[in-house]
Amino acid sequence: NAGVTQTPKFRVLKTGQSMTLLCAQDMNHEYMYWYRQDPGMGLRLIHYSVGEGTTAKGEVPDGYNVSRLKKQNFLLGLESAAPSQTSVYFCASSGTGRKTYEQYFGPGTRLTVT
Amino acid sequence: QQQVKQSPQSLIVQKGGISIINCAYENTAFDYFPWYQQFPGKGPALLIAIRPDVSEKKEGRFTISFNKSAKQFSLHIMDSQPGDSATYFCAASIKNYGQNFVFGPGTRLSVLP
Repeated sequence: NAGVTQTPKFRVLKTGQSMTLLCAQDMNHEYMYWYRQDPGMGLRLIHYSVGEGTTAKGEVPDGYNVSRLKKQNFLLGLESAAPSQTSVYFCASSGTGRKTYEQYFGPGTRLTVT
Repeated sequence: QQQVKQSPQSLIVQKGGISIINCAYENTAFDYFPWYQQFPGKGPALLIAIRPDVSEKKEGRFTISFNKSAKQFSLHIMDSQPGDSATYFCAASIKNYGQNFVFGPGTRLSVLP
């Protein structure tokens, strides 16, 4: 039982390049989330999904797209990276009902955009 | 109104001492208040959580105190250990909507041996 895994762990992009971050969970959770973490700002929600095939915008969605084609996977895409997207990205998942409140986080992806 | 304020930004405590981190919120619709612990290079992990129908919850050396009227809650770490050195985030969520988590900016705790 690996929990929540993220690929890659580190990445350096040039401005304008694109990339996809992959999140996978093996807990059969319905809900999945993408956050970004910046110094002094806590975690901010980018996009989330309440089930396979569904996605919705969070607090800071601009410049990102997501897809949830399979229940266990949640992909975060950057179509044209900008230096402002330099951050640590965390994926999380949670169950339904009262279990929605218990979010399990992955180890993070550190992205640098030059 | 969605903000969760957290203080202090950083905290240094001697081994065996008590660490106290405070959070405050405005939105009275929040109904779940978790604390997350994050070690360097790792993702946040749920430490302890409380709902507004109780004023205190204790799990081992970790206690949440909740003051509904003041809209404040705090984390107390008793007998602090060097292994507790981490960043702690408070958060708040609205009923049945996990996607509505709002996180505080974090407190970096250092426990000196």
